[in-house]
Amino acid sequence: QVQLQESGPGLVKPSETLSLTCTFSGGSISLYYWTWIRQPPGKGLEWIGHISYTGNTNYNPRLKSRVTISIDTSMNQFSLHLSSVTAADTAVYYCARGSYDCSGGVCLNWYDPWGQGSLVTVSS
Amino acid sequence: QSVLTQPSSASGTPGQRVIISCSGRSSNIGSHTVNWYQYLPGTAPKLIIYSNSHRPSGVPDRFSGSKSGTSASLAISGLQSEDEADYSCAAWDDSLNAPVFGGGTKLTVL
Repeated sequence: QVQLQESGPGLVKPSETLSLTCTFSGGSISLYYWTWIRQPPGKGLEWIGHISYTGNTNYNPRLKSRVTISIDTSMNQFSLHLSSVTAADTAVYYCARGSYDCSGGVCLNWYDPWGQGSLVTVSS
Repeated sequence: QSVLTQPSSASGTPGQRVIISCSGRSSNIGSHTVNWYQYLPGTAPKLIIYSNSHRPSGVPDRFSGSKSGTSASLAISGLQSEDEADYSCAAWDDSLNAPVFGGGTKLTVL
C-alpha cells in the first residue's frame, strides 16, 4: 500500500523560502508524477506542480517563478521549495502521487494517494 | 475563486440520494475527464471517482459520477453518516496547462 508523508517547518517568515519534503513508501516510483497541491484556509485546492521519476517538471504558471520541485529516487523523497513567500502562501500543503496522460488529446489526470497534509503558516 | 464551480454546501438525511454539481468550461470539463475527491480536515484527501465515472478499488458503489458537456456531477445514494465530508471536483485545463479544482462542497448528513 502506497503511503506518503509530508515533513517540514510549520512556520515560515515572509520573504523566506518554504521547504517541504514528501517521503513515499510501498510502491514503484516510476510511471507516476509526484505532485504538490495546497489548500489555503477557506479556499479550494490549488495545484502547485509535479515531477516525474526522470526529473521532468511542470509547474502552475501562477507560481512558476517561485517554485522548484526536486526528487531523490534513492531516498524515495521529493521536495517543494517556494521562494519569497507571503501570507497568501499560508495553506495546508499536500503531496500526492499523480497519474497523468494527455497523449490522446483528452487528459487523464488524477491523484491517489495523498499525504495527510502539512499546515504551513507564513508570519513574522 | 476556483476555476470549477460547486455549491458550497449540500445536505441529506440517511438513506437519501444527494447530487453535487461541478460546472466548468470547454477548456477543462468540456475537453477532459473529471475526478472527485473526498476529504476531511486533518486527513488525507481520497480519490473517489476518476475519469468521469470510474470508482477506485474500495470505494462503495453508492458513489457514482457523470459528465455532460461542461458540467459534471457526483451522486451519493443510500447516504450514510460517514459520508459527511468535503467533496471537490477536478479536471485538466488547457488554458492554464494545469489541473484545476472546484471550491469544494461541504456535505452534511442530517
